[in-house]
Amino acid sequence: GENVEQHPSTLSVQEGDSAVIKCTYSDSASNYFPWYKQELGKRPQLIIDIRSNVGEKKDQRIAVTLNKTAKHFSLHITETQPEDSAVYFCAASYSLGNEKLTFGTGTRLTIIP
Amino acid sequence: GAVVSQHPSRVICKSGTSVKIECRSLDFQATTMFWYRQFPKQSLMLMATSNEGSKATYEQGVEKDKFLINHASLTLSTLTVTSAHPEDSSFYICSARPAIGARLEQYFGPGTRLTVT
Repeated sequence: GENVEQHPSTLSVQEGDSAVIKCTYSDSASNYFPWYKQELGKRPQLIIDIRSNVGEKKDQRIAVTLNKTAKHFSLHITETQPEDSAVYFCAASYSLGNEKLTFGTGTRLTIIP
Repeated sequence: GAVVSQHPSRVICKSGTSVKIECRSLDFQATTMFWYRQFPKQSLMLMATSNEGSKATYEQGVEKDKFLINHASLTLSTLTVTSAHPEDSSFYICSARPAIGARLEQYFGPGTRLTVT
């Protein structure tokens, strides 16, 4: 089955700087890669996703890049703000299979004011 | 749009009793819903995939007789924890995938915190 690794587990960034979180996946058939943000005690919220036919996607301060050959994808947050502090999870799935998401272990991002 | 609700948000029950958790997609239909379990400061572990009108598919190591899943309609899936024990205490979260075209995203409910005493 799919295995998703995520690094780093914790990340502290000065407000205004950029944050990068990286994930690798094992199943070359995976073709859908969402990122979720989870604040303490709350539901995971989809913040951006990318399909395997695209190498990069951007939404305001958030961007995701995908390298299918190397089987890794990354989340980039620019101009970080205190409200960006949360746990971020990457995930991977195969849309033509059972579509279940395999999650990474999470990154606790702390923005230092 | 794409709102998923879960009920109850918190439940405390005694060991040996059963607890039912409901997951509803409020403004969309979902042919597929997923049930996860999340331990403190850990990732989401998929328990089972619930398809409307058919039997759920359980992940390896998840007891289907203990975690009963019913997906009776396109907007409702239920998880029943039978004969609950303290080790079943956890945060249970459902997600739903819109049954529209090629949409792949999953939207999560707010979760149910189960405490078994």
